[in-house]
Amino acid sequence: NAGVTQTPKFQVLKTGQSMTLQCAQDMNHEYMSWYRQDPGMGLRLIHYSVGAGITDQGEVPNGYNVSRSTTEDFPLRLLSAAPSQTSVYFCASSYGQVGYEQYFGPGTRLTVT
Amino acid sequence: AQSVTQLDSQVPVFEEAPVELRCNYSSSVSVYLFWYVQYPNQGLQLLLKYLSGSTLVKGINGFEAEFNKSQTSFHLRKPSVHISDTAEYFCAVSPEYGNKLVFGAGTILRVKS
Repeated sequence: NAGVTQTPKFQVLKTGQSMTLQCAQDMNHEYMSWYRQDPGMGLRLIHYSVGAGITDQGEVPNGYNVSRSTTEDFPLRLLSAAPSQTSVYFCASSYGQVGYEQYFGPGTRLTVT
Repeated sequence: AQSVTQLDSQVPVFEEAPVELRCNYSSSVSVYLFWYVQYPNQGLQLLLKYLSGSTLVKGINGFEAEFNKSQTSFHLRKPSVHISDTAEYFCAVSPEYGNKLVFGAGTILRVKS
Protein backbone atom coordinates (compact mmCIF):
# COMPACT_ATOMS: atom_id res chain seq x y z
CA ASN A 1 0.00 0.00 0.00
CA ALA A 2 1.29 3.45 -0.89
CA GLY A 3 -1.06 5.02 1.68
CA VAL A 4 -1.77 8.70 1.01
CA THR A 5 0.25 10.29 -1.77
CA GLN A 6 0.48 13.98 -2.64
CA THR A 7 1.96 15.77 -5.62
CA PRO A 8 3.84 17.98 -6.07
CA LYS A 9 6.14 18.10 -3.02
CA PHE A 10 7.09 21.71 -3.65
CA GLN A 11 5.52 24.47 -5.75
CA VAL A 12 6.16 28.15 -6.31
CA LEU A 13 3.35 30.24 -7.80
CA LYS A 14 2.96 33.86 -8.73
CA THR A 15 0.04 35.82 -7.35
CA GLY A 16 -3.04 35.20 -9.46
CA GLN A 17 -1.96 31.86 -10.87
CA SER A 18 -4.09 28.76 -10.36
CA MET A 19 -3.05 25.21 -9.68
CA THR A 20 -4.27 21.85 -8.42
CA LEU A 21 -2.71 19.90 -5.56
CA GLN A 22 -3.20 16.21 -6.09
CA CYS A 23 -4.09 13.69 -3.37
CA ALA A 24 -4.73 9.98 -3.74
CA GLN A 25 -5.20 7.10 -1.32
CA ASP A 26 -5.28 3.36 -1.92
CA MET A 27 -6.89 2.26 1.36
CA ASN A 28 -10.51 2.53 0.18
CA HIS A 29 -11.17 5.21 2.79
CA GLU A 30 -14.45 7.10 2.53
CA TYR A 31 -13.37 10.19 4.47
CA MET A 32 -10.75 12.54 3.03
CA SER A 33 -9.70 16.01 4.06
CA TRP A 34 -7.32 18.86 3.28
CA TYR A 35 -5.47 20.86 5.92
CA ARG A 36 -3.05 23.73 5.82
CA GLN A 37 -0.25 24.04 8.37
CA ASP A 38 1.10 27.42 9.35
CA PRO A 39 3.70 28.09 12.07
CA GLY A 40 2.14 28.46 15.52
CA MET A 41 -1.36 27.67 14.23
CA GLY A 42 -1.38 23.90 13.99
CA LEU A 43 -3.42 22.38 11.19
CA ARG A 44 -6.61 23.98 9.96
CA LEU A 45 -9.26 22.15 7.97
CA ILE A 46 -9.89 23.54 4.48
CA HIS A 47 -12.39 21.10 2.93
CA TYR A 48 -13.42 17.54 3.53
CA SER A 49 -15.36 14.74 1.84
CA VAL A 50 -17.36 11.90 3.37
CA GLY A 51 -17.54 9.96 0.12
CA ALA A 52 -17.45 10.22 -3.66
CA GLY A 53 -19.59 13.13 -4.83
CA ILE A 54 -19.91 14.68 -1.35
CA THR A 55 -17.77 17.57 -0.13
CA ASP A 56 -18.13 20.24 2.53
CA GLN A 57 -16.28 23.26 3.86
CA GLY A 58 -13.96 23.28 6.81
CA GLU A 59 -12.61 26.14 8.87
CA VAL A 60 -10.72 28.04 6.13
CA PRO A 61 -12.31 27.27 2.73
CA ASN A 62 -12.02 30.65 1.00
CA GLY A 63 -9.88 30.59 -2.13
CA TYR A 64 -9.98 26.80 -2.48
CA ASN A 65 -12.20 24.35 -4.35
CA VAL A 66 -12.44 20.59 -4.13
CA SER A 67 -14.24 17.77 -5.89
CA ARG A 68 -14.45 14.03 -5.24
CA SER A 69 -15.33 12.07 -8.35
CA THR A 70 -13.76 8.81 -7.12
CA THR A 71 -13.09 7.25 -3.72
CA GLU A 72 -9.34 7.39 -4.35
CA ASP A 73 -8.75 10.99 -5.42
CA PHE A 74 -9.40 14.32 -3.71
CA PRO A 75 -7.72 17.24 -5.54
CA LEU A 76 -7.50 20.74 -4.06
CA ARG A 77 -7.69 23.68 -6.46
CA LEU A 78 -6.34 27.14 -5.80
CA LEU A 79 -8.36 29.45 -8.02
CA SER A 80 -6.22 32.60 -7.90
CA ALA A 81 -3.20 32.22 -5.64
CA ALA A 82 -2.46 34.85 -3.01
CA PRO A 83 0.60 35.26 -0.74
CA SER A 84 -1.66 34.40 2.24
CA GLN A 85 -1.95 30.89 0.78
CA THR A 86 1.77 30.26 1.28
CA SER A 87 1.67 27.22 3.55
CA VAL A 88 2.24 23.49 3.82
CA TYR A 89 -0.78 21.50 2.67
CA PHE A 90 -1.63 18.05 3.97
CA CYS A 91 -4.17 15.61 2.65
CA ALA A 92 -5.54 12.96 5.01
CA SER A 93 -7.89 10.01 4.81
CA SER A 94 -9.67 7.76 7.29
CA TYR A 95 -11.97 4.78 7.27
CA GLY A 96 -14.80 6.73 8.86
CA GLN A 97 -15.67 10.17 10.05
CA VAL A 98 -15.69 9.96 13.80
CA GLY A 99 -13.03 8.53 16.10
CA TYR A 100 -10.93 6.94 13.37
CA GLU A 101 -7.21 7.48 12.82
CA GLN A 102 -6.45 9.91 10.01
CA TYR A 103 -3.60 8.91 7.69
CA PHE A 104 -1.63 11.87 6.39
CA GLY A 105 0.26 12.37 3.17
CA PRO A 106 3.80 13.81 3.14
CA GLY A 107 2.61 17.33 2.36
CA THR A 108 3.02 19.96 -0.36
CA ARG A 109 5.02 23.08 0.44
CA LEU A 110 3.51 25.98 -1.52
CA THR A 111 5.03 29.43 -1.85
CA VAL A 112 3.09 32.25 -3.49
CA THR A 113 5.16 35.30 -4.48
CA ALA B 1 -17.40 24.46 18.65
CA GLN B 2 -14.27 22.88 20.02
CA SER B 3 -10.88 24.43 20.72
CA VAL B 4 -7.53 23.07 21.84
CA THR B 5 -4.77 24.82 23.78
CA GLN B 6 -1.30 23.37 23.95
CA LEU B 7 0.27 25.17 26.85
CA ASP B 8 3.91 24.99 25.74
CA SER B 9 5.19 25.88 22.29
CA GLN B 10 8.58 24.28 22.96
CA VAL B 11 9.79 21.79 25.55
CA PRO B 12 13.53 21.13 25.84
CA VAL B 13 14.51 18.03 27.81
CA PHE B 14 17.60 15.89 28.28
CA GLU B 15 17.74 12.35 26.98
CA GLU B 16 16.35 9.72 29.40
CA ALA B 17 14.45 12.37 31.39
CA PRO B 18 10.64 12.22 31.73
CA VAL B 19 8.47 14.63 29.78
CA GLU B 20 4.89 15.90 29.88
CA LEU B 21 3.29 17.82 27.02
CA ARG B 22 0.17 19.63 28.16
CA CYS B 23 -3.12 19.89 26.31
CA ASN B 24 -6.40 21.47 27.40
CA TYR B 25 -9.57 21.51 25.36
CA SER B 26 -12.88 23.31 25.36
CA SER B 27 -16.15 21.78 24.21
CA SER B 28 -19.84 21.90 25.08
CA VAL B 29 -20.32 18.28 23.96
CA SER B 30 -18.52 15.00 24.56
CA VAL B 31 -15.32 14.64 22.57
CA TYR B 32 -12.75 12.22 21.26
CA LEU B 33 -9.11 13.16 21.85
CA PHE B 34 -5.96 12.44 19.87
CA TRP B 35 -2.22 13.02 19.93
CA TYR B 36 -0.35 13.10 16.63
CA VAL B 37 3.41 13.37 16.05
CA GLN B 38 5.16 15.05 13.14
CA TYR B 39 8.82 14.24 12.50
CA PRO B 40 10.79 16.81 10.46
CA ASN B 41 9.60 17.12 6.86
CA GLN B 42 6.98 14.40 7.24
CA GLY B 43 3.24 14.13 7.60
CA LEU B 44 1.51 13.46 10.90
CA GLN B 45 1.03 10.03 12.42
CA LEU B 46 -1.21 8.94 15.27
CA LEU B 47 0.41 8.38 18.68
CA LEU B 48 -2.72 7.51 20.63
CA LYS B 49 -6.40 8.31 21.02
CA TYR B 50 -9.10 8.37 23.66
CA LEU B 51 -12.62 7.40 22.63
CA SER B 52 -14.10 5.94 25.82
CA GLY B 53 -13.30 3.59 28.69
CA SER B 54 -10.09 3.76 30.69
CA THR B 55 -8.86 7.32 31.05
CA LEU B 56 -5.21 6.22 30.76
CA VAL B 57 -4.38 5.54 27.15
CA LYS B 58 -1.17 3.91 25.96
CA GLY B 59 0.22 4.62 22.51
CA ILE B 60 3.19 3.87 20.34
CA ASN B 61 6.84 4.52 21.21
CA GLY B 62 6.20 4.37 24.98
CA PHE B 63 3.90 7.40 25.14
CA GLU B 64 0.75 7.54 27.24
CA ALA B 65 -1.90 10.16 27.96
CA GLU B 66 -4.52 10.64 30.63
CA PHE B 67 -7.98 12.03 29.95
CA ASN B 68 -9.22 14.25 32.79
CA LYS B 69 -12.80 15.29 32.12
CA SER B 70 -13.12 17.61 35.12
CA GLN B 71 -10.01 19.54 34.12
CA THR B 72 -10.69 19.15 30.37
CA SER B 73 -7.12 18.01 29.85
CA PHE B 74 -5.35 15.29 27.88
CA HIS B 75 -1.66 15.54 28.79
CA LEU B 76 0.91 13.38 27.01
CA ARG B 77 3.70 11.73 29.00
CA LYS B 78 6.76 9.59 28.49
CA PRO B 79 8.89 8.35 31.40
CA SER B 80 12.21 8.40 29.50
CA VAL B 81 12.73 10.18 26.20
CA HIS B 82 15.17 9.42 23.41
CA ILE B 83 16.85 11.66 20.87
CA SER B 84 14.57 10.12 18.25
CA ASP B 85 11.51 11.57 20.05
CA THR B 86 12.51 15.04 18.83
CA ALA B 87 9.46 16.13 16.82
CA GLU B 88 6.39 18.33 16.93
CA TYR B 89 3.41 16.96 18.81
CA PHE B 90 -0.19 17.96 18.14
CA CYS B 91 -3.20 17.47 20.38
CA ALA B 92 -6.52 17.26 18.53
CA VAL B 93 -10.20 16.96 19.43
CA SER B 94 -13.33 15.99 17.55
CA PRO B 95 -16.91 16.06 18.80
CA GLU B 96 -18.34 12.65 19.58
CA TYR B 97 -21.03 13.06 16.94
CA GLY B 98 -19.16 15.28 14.51
CA ASN B 99 -16.64 14.76 11.78
CA LYS B 100 -14.17 17.63 12.08
CA LEU B 101 -10.82 17.36 13.83
CA VAL B 102 -9.55 20.52 15.52
CA PHE B 103 -5.82 20.73 16.19
CA GLY B 104 -3.82 22.62 18.76
CA ALA B 105 -0.91 24.83 17.73
CA GLY B 106 1.65 22.12 18.44
CA THR B 107 4.49 21.59 20.92
CA ILE B 108 8.05 21.10 19.70
CA LEU B 109 9.86 18.55 21.84
CA ARG B 110 13.64 18.94 21.68
CA VAL B 111 15.59 16.11 23.26
CA LYS B 112 19.19 16.99 24.07
CA SER B 113 22.07 14.61 24.74
